[in-house]
Amino acid sequence: QKEVEQNSGPLSVPEGAIASLNCTYSDRVSQSFFWYRQYSGKSPELIMSIYSNGDKEDGRFTAQLNKASQYVSLLIRDSQPSDSATYLCALLTDSWGKFQFGAGTQVVVTP
Amino acid sequence: DAGVIQSPRHEVTEMGQEVTLRCKPISGHNSLFWYRQTMMRGLELLIYFNNNVPIDDSGMPEDRFSAKMPNASFSTLKIQPSEPRDSAVYFCASSLGQDSNQPQHFGDGTRLSIL
Repeated sequence: QKEVEQNSGPLSVPEGAIASLNCTYSDRVSQSFFWYRQYSGKSPELIMSIYSNGDKEDGRFTAQLNKASQYVSLLIRDSQPSDSATYLCALLTDSWGKFQFGAGTQVVVTP
Repeated sequence: DAGVIQSPRHEVTEMGQEVTLRCKPISGHNSLFWYRQTMMRGLELLIYFNNNVPIDDSGMPEDRFSAKMPNASFSTLKIQPSEPRDSAVYFCASSLGQDSNQPQHFGDGTRLSIL
């Protein structure tokens, strides 16, 4: 059973619209959650981290965490073609820094 | 600040040859992770170290794979002998680890092709 589930997509979003990505997880112990963006042919890069229930905003990105329901989401406002990428959800699973990654959601922003 | 540095960026070699991938973590980071990424299997954790000690190597696919971290600033992933199914992008990542909730930072990866 996968510990981190994401819809693989592709999620097609018109330019200027809001992209909504969801991630569910099974490990109730996890306290730290991360969103990475990966462009085709590139390495994953961190875009958001969230540790507490509620919303965290950074520019056009908002991460939302609900530990009781075991999901974390990412909203991308005013989507741009440059946001077209695969978005990976990750949670910290041990004290040495090990992550469990989801399979990623591909986002395609269409002009 | 320098990020995670991997070498080589690309490697093309013939089946049966030994392949060595190298990684220099971010200075001050004490956890280091080796991943493999393919279209079919996504991002897979192969092995990770904390303070140069291997913590979990259960993701290493076969005995043909080995990894070392002789000091805090260098790690290698070796495949011997290599096979075509080992073709993938291999990423190294580092983090502060050890009871911190800090993110992992990835290198640019090594794109490995085994012919």
